[in-house]
Amino acid sequence: ETGVTQSPTHLIKTRGQQVTLRCSSQSGHNTVSWYQQALGQGPQFIFQYYREEENGRGNFPPRFSGLQFPNYSSELNVNALELDDSALYLCASSSTSVDEQYFGPGTRLTVT
Amino acid sequence: GDSVTQMEGPVTLSEEAFLTINCTYTATGYPSLFWYVQYPGEGLQLLLKATKADDKGSNKGFEATYRKETTSFHLEKGSVQVSDSAVYFCALSRVSSGSARQLTFGSGTQLTVLP
Repeated sequence: ETGVTQSPTHLIKTRGQQVTLRCSSQSGHNTVSWYQQALGQGPQFIFQYYREEENGRGNFPPRFSGLQFPNYSSELNVNALELDDSALYLCASSSTSVDEQYFGPGTRLTVT
Repeated sequence: GDSVTQMEGPVTLSEEAFLTINCTYTATGYPSLFWYVQYPGEGLQLLLKATKADDKGSNKGFEATYRKETTSFHLEKGSVQVSDSAVYFCALSRVSSGSARQLTFGSGTQLTVLP
């Protein structure tokens, strides 16, 4: 059974640029959630995708957007990067039949 | 809105000591409760869960009981090891906006176990 994978591992961007992060869900899972974890804090929910549609969103601005593909993999896009966007971005996959979520290793984004 | 409050860290213990990390929550309805662990430079690993009142989740010697009357889900282990050194996150899951089942996390508790 393949776990959740994310790419890239690390990324450095300049303020104002755009970034795309990628996630492959665990085998058998059809739902993907994205979380932002600032240094020293707990993860914050960004949004969740199910059947290629966003079905829930946390308190994040529209410049955070996403996609889910037919194979259940997902992308997180962030436009007009700000310094405060520097964080670990975590992807989690789950199944509609259970309520636990399984996390990938994360992408460390640094905005300078 | 939903919230999770964890015991402030960091916590430093000697090997074989007893561990308790306190966690309380605020949520409407009947959330599921979780403990996740994060080792340095890694993502979060599910440690244990409980889905209803009085359920006890357990894994790798760790235990936590869902106490609805005190809205708590304290993590305990009878004898910690150096390899347990990590950050521990308490979280709740509930269907919120749309039909999304989102996790709400506490701020984390850093545990260091000394040999």
